[in-house]
Amino acid sequence: DAGVIQSPRHEVTEMGQEVTLRCKPISGHDYLFWYRQTMMRGLELLIYFNNNVPIDDSGMPEDRFSAKMPNASFSTLKIQPSEPRDSAVYFCASRNYDRGGYTFGSGTRLTVV
Amino acid sequence: AQSVSQHNHHVILSEAASLELGCNYSYGGTVNLFWYVQYPGQHLQLLLKYFSGDPLVKGIKGFEAEFIKSKFSFNLRKPSVQWSDTAEYFCAVNTNAGKSTFGDGTTLTVKP
Repeated sequence: DAGVIQSPRHEVTEMGQEVTLRCKPISGHDYLFWYRQTMMRGLELLIYFNNNVPIDDSGMPEDRFSAKMPNASFSTLKIQPSEPRDSAVYFCASRNYDRGGYTFGSGTRLTVV
Repeated sequence: AQSVSQHNHHVILSEAASLELGCNYSYGGTVNLFWYVQYPGQHLQLLLKYFSGDPLVKGIKGFEAEFIKSKFSFNLRKPSVQWSDTAEYFCAVNTNAGKSTFGDGTTLTVKP
């Protein structure tokens, strides 16, 4: 199994631009999570899906953030417009509820200048 | 709502010293418990998990954790740390919901 796959690994963009982060979960996992990690705020849960349906998006910081999961093998996190304070590492994770533990992707390091 | 407390924010040890990282959670029902490790510049990886049965759980790389239900604790231990154990360690708890609640993490620095 290739694990959770995120792309791109690094993204540098200018303030105001749209950014799209992508995630392919492990096949058969029925939960998908988007986290953001910074030194100041630590690990923050942004949104999570169960069977492609958004369950809790209360962690999404603003309307500039949106996430979709059109099918079981793909999810996107979009920031439009991006701001310097969005700079962080964004992790996607998936899990199979019956088997516990999260599997995290390698993350996308986003820098907004 | 459940919460997870990791009381040690930063632990510094010399190689070969023993390690114990504290984790307490607040939830009165059935829980599933996890420890994750994040090496510098990398993503979180599962170290070990407890679902049921023997409260002493063994994980990868010589780590173990003990679930003490009466104390709402799930402390992580390793008898002899190595320089390569330098990382951040996160405790997490799952209840009936699909998501885990993570602690704030403990940074472990092992001096060679």
